[in-house]
Amino acid sequence: EAGVTQFPSHSVIEKGQTVTLRCDPISGHDNLYWYRRVMGKEIKFLLHFVKESKQDESGMPNNRFLAERTGGTYSTLKVQPAELEDSGVYFCASSQRSRDYYVNTEAFFGQGTRLTVV
Amino acid sequence: DQQVKQNSPSLSVQEGRISILNCDYTNSMFDYFLWYKKYPAEGPTFLISISSIKDKNEDGRFTVFLNKSAKHLSLHIVPSQPGDSAVYFCAASAYNTGNQFYFGTGTSLTVIP
Repeated sequence: EAGVTQFPSHSVIEKGQTVTLRCDPISGHDNLYWYRRVMGKEIKFLLHFVKESKQDESGMPNNRFLAERTGGTYSTLKVQPAELEDSGVYFCASSQRSRDYYVNTEAFFGQGTRLTVV
Repeated sequence: DQQVKQNSPSLSVQEGRISILNCDYTNSMFDYFLWYKKYPAEGPTFLISISSIKDKNEDGRFTVFLNKSAKHLSLHIVPSQPGDSAVYFCAASAYNTGNQFYFGTGTSLTVIP
């Protein structure tokens, strides 16, 4: 079974440019999460999709970030325009949806996209 | 405000000995806790989890202990092996937060052969 895949693995862009990150979750996983890790800090939640719907986007830093998950399959995260502080590793994760809303399941992570804004 | 804290950035242990990684949390609504292991240039890999209805979960060399009254959990690895050298992240979630995971800053474990 294929794991969570992210593209690209690295991206170096100039301040003010646009970058789009892509995530392909594990097939059949309804939950899809985006996280970001800035050097040496915690892995911070950005947003959560259940199928194509945004369940929680409370972690999105500002309106320069736009996430989509059309058709409930792959997801994209666009940063426009990019700023220096957007640099970090962006992780995507997916998990199965439990039949019981009150029971959680572990999330499986992709390898991450290292974004450097210069 | 960080809800999950790992106060030890690094830990070194001799091969064959026990590694104990600690994690504290502040949100009493957390009901599911996980440990992830991360190698450089890779994504975090799920290691072991525990529900708040338990106080211990074991999987081979890995055991997670949960102390709800102290809001503390720990990961024990015994015996430690050089291949265990990685960064370990503690994570927690609660059903009323949409099951998003809150992570700590990680502890870098080095197992010395």
